[in-house]
Amino acid sequence: KQEVTQIPAALSVPEGENLVLNCSFTDSAIYNLQWFRQDPGKGLTSLLLIQSSQREQTSGRLNASLDKSSGRSTLYIAASQPGDSATYLCAPSTNQGGKLIFGQGTELSVKP
Amino acid sequence: GAGVSQSPSNKVTEKGKDVELRCDPISGHTALYWYRQSLGQGLEFLIYFQGNSAPDKSGLPSDRFSAERTGGSVSTLTIQRTQQEDSAVYLCASSLVSAGSSYEQYFGPGTRLTVT
Repeated sequence: KQEVTQIPAALSVPEGENLVLNCSFTDSAIYNLQWFRQDPGKGLTSLLLIQSSQREQTSGRLNASLDKSSGRSTLYIAASQPGDSATYLCAPSTNQGGKLIFGQGTELSVKP
Repeated sequence: GAGVSQSPSNKVTEKGKDVELRCDPISGHTALYWYRQSLGQGLEFLIYFQGNSAPDKSGLPSDRFSAERTGGSVSTLTIQRTQQEDSAVYLCASSLVSAGSSYEQYFGPGTRLTVT
């Protein structure tokens, strides 16, 4: 059974800092992995998707890496801004088009 | 284009009543998923529809929960004889499952269900 752990559970940083969110998963036989952000009271917004054959994906100030063999993914946020404040969720999928298994999330607060 | 939509956005019901939650996926998406987000359990998978295949119901917590997808598009999640522990946000997602697609899942805004 796939289990996903995200560390830290919460993070508070001053504006402008670079930061790293960590995600680990127990079953390395994943098909892909998605990173999402969730604002309070809202749905999930997809940030990045990494296929199992890829090592990293980049979108703007966000970079996600994947080490499938060790069961780890990281989300790097450069030059953080107050608008980045949200909960970030990591979710691998073990099948083509199959269900996502979610971690508990990292609650990020970026202070002006 | 339009994203995933869900209705109602909020639903308050009395314990023991039945409720129906609706999901309209992104047009052309072949796969549809239901998840539930509650304070104690985090975000958990409920059910998955893909084309004409039998749905993956492995996440449904009890036989009070059922879902259907009509015409390969709109889906309805039904909860019978609601209990207080059913209170949660119910999220729907869709994706394009075909050769060459990334299988990226796109989520709707959710339905917040409160059972009193």
